[in-house]
Amino acid sequence: GQNIDQPTEMTATEGAIVQINCTYQTSGFNGLFWYQQHAGEAPTFLSYNVLDGLEEKGRFSSFLSRSKGYSYLLLKELQMKDSASYLCAVRDSNYQLIWGAGTKLIIKP
Amino acid sequence: ETGVTQTPRHLVMGMTNKKSLKCEQHLGHNAMYWYKQSAKKPLELMFVYNFKEQTENNSVPSRFSPECPNSSHLFLHLHTLQPEDSALYLCASSQDDARPNYEQYFGPGTRLTVT
Repeated sequence: GQNIDQPTEMTATEGAIVQINCTYQTSGFNGLFWYQQHAGEAPTFLSYNVLDGLEEKGRFSSFLSRSKGYSYLLLKELQMKDSASYLCAVRDSNYQLIWGAGTKLIIKP
Repeated sequence: ETGVTQTPRHLVMGMTNKKSLKCEQHLGHNAMYWYKQSAKKPLELMFVYNFKEQTENNSVPSRFSPECPNSSHLFLHLHTLQPEDSALYLCASSQDDARPNYEQYFGPGTRLTVT
């Protein structure tokens, strides 16, 4: 079966760096997405990786290793507004999106 | 209005009621989706419409009935639901469903409670 694994919850301190991991086993691979979802709000797109390596977008970076079935989202200079759930999703060979259950990130002052 | 809108935002219904959820996208997209989001579970894809044609129905019970009259509007008709159907129902849209890198844009969801 297809599976996406992420930690359920993480805690970090304001101003610090946090890495949220995502491992996947899917039928084929056509890219990996990261979304952010604040409580009670819509998920919003953060990044898309299809090639190995690191993609940087301001304070957020996303890394992919296709051979290891592994990705991480790196958040730098954490702010209180970064408290949210972070969803990892992989597009499989049928172009279907397979979603992880999300990682709830709690930022403490 | 911009983006993806959903109404109502909250809905409480009895198991014998009939209600409908509405989604509208103002992005000029051609694909629309219904998802169910339950606490601590992955998003469950329910239905996909691409260019108004239903292309995906992930074994969803018949008490959920989708309708897509045009590429901007999507409805989810509900009848004789069960308490386990209580969840957040999210609508999303994307440019189309055939390109791997097209991200989906989500609405704020309808929080459904079945009593």
